[in-house]
Amino acid sequence: DGGITQSPKYLFRKEGQNVTLSCEQNLNHDAMYWYRQDPGQGLRLIYYSQIVNDFQKGDIAEGYSVSREKKESFPLTVTSAQKNPTAFYLCASSISGDTRQETQYFGPGTRLLVL
Amino acid sequence: QKEVEQNSGPLSVPEGAIASLNCTYSDRGSQSFFWYRQYSGKSPELIMSIYSNGDKEDGRFTAQLNKASQYVSLLIRDSQPSDSATYLCAVNAYSNSGGSNYKLTFGKGTLLTVNP
Repeated sequence: DGGITQSPKYLFRKEGQNVTLSCEQNLNHDAMYWYRQDPGQGLRLIYYSQIVNDFQKGDIAEGYSVSREKKESFPLTVTSAQKNPTAFYLCASSISGDTRQETQYFGPGTRLLVL
Repeated sequence: QKEVEQNSGPLSVPEGAIASLNCTYSDRGSQSFFWYRQYSGKSPELIMSIYSNGDKEDGRFTAQLNKASQYVSLLIRDSQPSDSATYLCAVNAYSNSGGSNYKLTFGKGTLLTVNP
């Protein structure tokens, strides 16, 4: 059963705390992405990766960090430097990330709330 | 800054009617266009993709692209209550800012409600 999984579904963060969101895919895709969605807003790109051990900043990378140690996994850490972390976080993947007709497929998302 | 604009909505149509969703984009170099459907609290799922000028039909859905006018639309025929969702327009354009050559930019979405 191929797809993208994200965990947890809901995550609560305390002030000054770092939290990590998990994203795993078994689609054998090279490219993986993290987006943030705020109410009534479109998706904004945080980070993306096209190959293991390499990743690039998106439009709103400040306060976030990522790693890509395995092809299947692309975890996102929301650091204490991110002052407004409450949002719906979406992980996506695509075959390679460098073809114009490529489709991105999304995981179920993680909703992050600040206590 | 590349922009993707969608009609703000919300859009309300009766069951069985045609729903028309519109999207304009600023980057003339944009090469591929996608419509995603997002139910409340869920993640986006791909409905249609279109790459060439003209119409592309898939069941009750038709995507229309006019690159000269920088305009892409989605028509939903025989609208059903299950079509009630937010529809996101996404545009893929070449970017030379490093890393991936293509970047996907999303509009804010149009909320569609189909009334029984």
